Amino acid sequence: NAGVMQNPRHLVRRRGQEARLRCSPMKGHSHVYWYRQLPEEGLKFMVYLQKENIIDESGMPKERFSAEFPKEGPSILRIQQVVRGDSAAYFCASSPPSGTGYEQFFGPGTRLTVL
Amino acid sequence: DQQVKQNSPSLSVQEGRISILNCDYTNSMFDYFLWYKKYPAEGPTFLISISSIKDKNEDGRFTVFLNKSAKHLSLHIVPSQPGDSAVYFCAASENSGGSNYKLTFGKGTLLTVNP
Repeated sequence: NAGVMQNPRHLVRRRGQEARLRCSPMKGHSHVYWYRQLPEEGLKFMVYLQKENIIDESGMPKERFSAEFPKEGPSILRIQQVVRGDSAAYFCASSPPSGTGYEQFFGPGTRLTVL
Repeated sequence: DQQVKQNSPSLSVQEGRISILNCDYTNSMFDYFLWYKKYPAEGPTFLISISSIKDKNEDGRFTVFLNKSAKHLSLHIVPSQPGDSAVYFCAASENSGGSNYKLTFGKGTLLTVNP
């Protein structure tokens, strides 16, 4: 009965490198959400995906950030050419295909540090 | 523009007493409200929620009160226990296309319950 899995738990990148964050939803869940928590802030919605579809990416920065949830495998949040301001905790959540969407179960997060 | 505000960054309470955590919101379109609890290095875990058609929801030691006219909600924990020490996030969502998936979080309140 595994919960939402995220890896890596900690990721250190130098400015200009790429960061790839992975999220495996709970078993039976087909909806995935990514949130970002900057220091001293609350979590902020980034993107909502279903299998092979981006439903809402209104919270994603316009450049350098992308997300996917392929038919097979985990959801990936990709940050290209990272900058120091990308340092944050990135949380993934999942929810079942039925329901209203707010029953989101969160993973432990990936803490990205950009040097 | 912070739509969900938790104005108390921290709260300290004696074990056995009541903890009251407060949350204010500005978006009148929010129709579902949630409280999450978060321990260090873990993801948020769902605690309790309330729909905008209700003014109170109770689950064991936890009760959430909603005052729509004041755009205010509060979480009561009674009796408080040392294990309740954590950061508590208030979150809200509005219905979008039949789903309430986009959660808007406050910055959180650190609750410390002293033995």
